[in-house]
Amino acid sequence: GEDVEQSLFLSVREGDSSVINCTYTDSSSTYLYWYKQEPGAGLQLLTYIFSNMDMKQDQRLTVLLNKKDKHLSLRIADTQTGDSAIYFCAEVDSSYKLIFGSGTRLLVRP
Amino acid sequence: DAGVTQSPTHLIKTRGQQVTLRCSPKSGHDTVSWYQQALGQGPQFIFQYYEEEERQRGNFPDRFSGHQFPNYSSELNVNALLLGDSALYLCASSSRGDQPQHFGDGTRLSIL
Repeated sequence: GEDVEQSLFLSVREGDSSVINCTYTDSSSTYLYWYKQEPGAGLQLLTYIFSNMDMKQDQRLTVLLNKKDKHLSLRIADTQTGDSAIYFCAEVDSSYKLIFGSGTRLLVRP
Repeated sequence: DAGVTQSPTHLIKTRGQQVTLRCSPKSGHDTVSWYQQALGQGPQFIFQYYEEEERQRGNFPDRFSGHQFPNYSSELNVNALLLGDSALYLCASSSRGDQPQHFGDGTRLSIL
């Protein structure tokens, strides 16, 4: 069945790079997404990658996609304390519903 | 340009009651999806509305129903509330079903 998996927790020092990993199962997904959720808030669309791309860069964010291994990663360069949040990876299935992982909690230490 | 707006922001109900949550999509969007996010988990898909019809449905009981209006806004109704319905309910909109979905800040529903 469809499943998206992420590691639960990542702690980095301010100014370092963060890498959040995700694996998914639906090879027919047309897009893969990264959302950010801050405490008490909804989900903010950070970036997304089309399935025929290997990499997408958007300012401090770099998304890498390995379709063969069904592996997606999000790299945040120069991580700041404001980046502390929960990050969700999501795939979209053939019926256009988003399937989310359980989220990775990123803690940025000063 | 207003994003996705949801109301109310918080709601407290008791078991057995009924609740209606509301969502206005982002300008230019015609598709609305609803998700339930339990504490510490990722959002789970409830259903999606397009052209005032329920297009897709997730694994939720019939107590969960919805509606989409001609102006593309949407309501989520939950009947016979259970303690387990306590969650953050998120609305997302997109310009087509396959385009990126943008989320509102959600309605936090607490069942006592």
